[in-house]
Amino acid sequence: GEDVEQSLFLSVREGDSSVINCTYTDSSSTYLYWYKQEPGAGLQLLTYIFSNMDMKQDQRLTVLLNKKDKHLSLRIADTQTGDSAIYFCAEIKNRDDKIIFGKGTRLHILP
Amino acid sequence: EAQVTQNPRYLITVTGKKLTVTCSQNMNHEYMSWYRQDPGLGLRQIYYSMNVEVTDKGDVPEGYKVSRKEKRNFPLILESPSPNQTSLYFCASSLTGPYSYEQYFGPGTRLTVT
Repeated sequence: GEDVEQSLFLSVREGDSSVINCTYTDSSSTYLYWYKQEPGAGLQLLTYIFSNMDMKQDQRLTVLLNKKDKHLSLRIADTQTGDSAIYFCAEIKNRDDKIIFGKGTRLHILP
Repeated sequence: EAQVTQNPRYLITVTGKKLTVTCSQNMNHEYMSWYRQDPGLGLRQIYYSMNVEVTDKGDVPEGYKVSRKEKRNFPLILESPSPNQTSLYFCASSLTGPYSYEQYFGPGTRLTVT
């Protein structure tokens, strides 16, 4: 498809792991990003992965990349109330200067 | 403190009345861009600039203009706003381009056109 696809909502219990999935459009995309948008705020670059990597870990965050399926995931371990936000997946297509965003996944934390 | 500032944060205006939303960054970043965020559509890029006097269209440039006369400023101009430009607008900057992991977004400008 031509769009970066994400599910719109995810509910997770506090303390559990959250996994947010994304399907991107271009198998030759070089950079893939995850952004976090807290209520009433701008976006914050959370983490990124280069296309020559399969996995990247940064504290509670793990990014997995499956280039064959054009699938990207963000795992948040030990989900906390402060993780409640909208998470955007984004890609930069090869030899392009634009960032293409998904529609965002709203993560809701259950007590 | 590294930041991207936008003004105004909220604006209600009428159809056809020209307006400018300012964006300024204090990090000497080369790349700046404008996005609009609409429910169910995510973020869409309006215009971007790779450096001073270098601007290019994003995915939804119609009805907007930009200029980049100085490195720190990247104003968004709506010459004749229409109700379909009611949206939440974000300015962003990054060090060398979209490939940079040093990226900052402004707090957003909520625009309503009646």
